[in-house]
Amino acid sequence: ETGVTQTPRHLVMGMTNKKSLKCEQHLGHNAMYWYKQSAKKPLELMFVYSLEERVENNSVPSRFSPECPNSSHLFLHLHTLQPEDSALYLCASSQDLTGQGAYEQYFGPGTRLTVT
Amino acid sequence: ILNVEQSPQSLHVQEGDSTNFTCSFPSSNFYALHWYRWETAKSPEALFVMTLNGDEKKKGRISATLNTKEGYSYLYIKGSQPEDSATYLCAPSAGTASKLTFGTGTRLQVTL
Repeated sequence: ETGVTQTPRHLVMGMTNKKSLKCEQHLGHNAMYWYKQSAKKPLELMFVYSLEERVENNSVPSRFSPECPNSSHLFLHLHTLQPEDSALYLCASSQDLTGQGAYEQYFGPGTRLTVT
Repeated sequence: ILNVEQSPQSLHVQEGDSTNFTCSFPSSNFYALHWYRWETAKSPEALFVMTLNGDEKKKGRISATLNTKEGYSYLYIKGSQPEDSATYLCAPSAGTASKLTFGTGTRLQVTL
């Protein structure tokens, strides 16, 4: 257990569905992240929240909408996804006091998303 | 977007062998270099975070070095064990909002 939980672990959704991924960290960290792992591609950063403010949006399509209601919770709202969005979505957290990426990140187990 | 290269892509060694992998990254605007181990069906786990040129870090049989001037880091595993089988990822930070850029990883398989 890393102290970062994600639900659901698996999700199958149609292209017209709306669903949300949830992440919760129990580590008292001040930064949270969404990553995407597609087949045969590197782990790709999607969003960064620091102190509940979005500080990075890595050119992600608007059909992915993040929400960070407090420092312990992070959501990724999904709507009108495409089959190519099928991937493993990982959440991570860190205690990053400098905003320079010098602190290790703790990852959740991921949500395996399939878009049909 | 940083260009991060890891080599080799995959590696198959016998138990007891020592091995090493390479991570190459742009040396400009560097802040930190992360190494993670990602075992199948588990979450990526942090091994090291290094920030200074010449840094060397060690955790048990695993160690890492950093050269920020030429933009590379080595990860060493001494006396590989089957439980070391995993994908090893490196990720430099260019200092923008804790943004890590991951390489594609080196997949290590250790057999008896």
